Amino acid sequence: AAGVIQSPRHLIKEKRETATLKCYPIPRHDTVYWYQQGPGQDPQFLISFYEKMQSDKGSIPDRFSAQQFSDYHSELNMSSLELGDSALYFCASSYRTDLRGYTFGSGTRLTVV
Amino acid sequence: AQKVTQAQTEISVVEKEDVTLDCVYETRDTTYYLFWYKQPPSGELVFLIRRNSFDEQNEISGRYSWNFQKSTSSFNFTITASQVVDSAVYFCALGTSYGKLTFGQGTILTVHP
Repeated sequence: AAGVIQSPRHLIKEKRETATLKCYPIPRHDTVYWYQQGPGQDPQFLISFYEKMQSDKGSIPDRFSAQQFSDYHSELNMSSLELGDSALYFCASSYRTDLRGYTFGSGTRLTVV
Repeated sequence: AQKVTQAQTEISVVEKEDVTLDCVYETRDTTYYLFWYKQPPSGELVFLIRRNSFDEQNEISGRYSWNFQKSTSSFNFTITASQVVDSAVYFCALGTSYGKLTFGQGTILTVHP
């Protein structure tokens, strides 16, 4: 079965650079969620989109923005990167907010040097 | 607001011992889902179980079992006859109608040979 695809798997950026993370949800899933997991921390919700509209927002820094496209894939754009942005970034998808099919991608490991 | 508490930060056992990971949650929602995820050193979140708030049946899957008690807002996870491959970080999570998940702090399980 198709899973949630995240790219890239690993990313190394320098401070003050920009990074773009991509998430391709499971077919027929129309809702995407982004989470950030710092070292030794639990995943923290950043933002979600349903039908290309932002549906919920967590502790997402102003330097970060995200959007969902017509094919339901989503991109998380991170600007003016800081060392503290180094983390695992997970994307999850579902059909509407039905948690029965909630599925996480394998994550993108971002390292800021 | 949703809250998940995993009382044990770290647990260390010897192979073949049974181990129980505790999870207590708080929510005002009457409909919610509870999850357990395993996170090995490679970083991905491996789905273990999902239980909705109306289903208090305990579940057993191989060496894994889950005890859901709504009266105490707990959803505990037991591994019987632990193995070295069970070593990982385990997260309990709570999902409500908006779709985002709230995670506990995680329990680091180390199984020694």
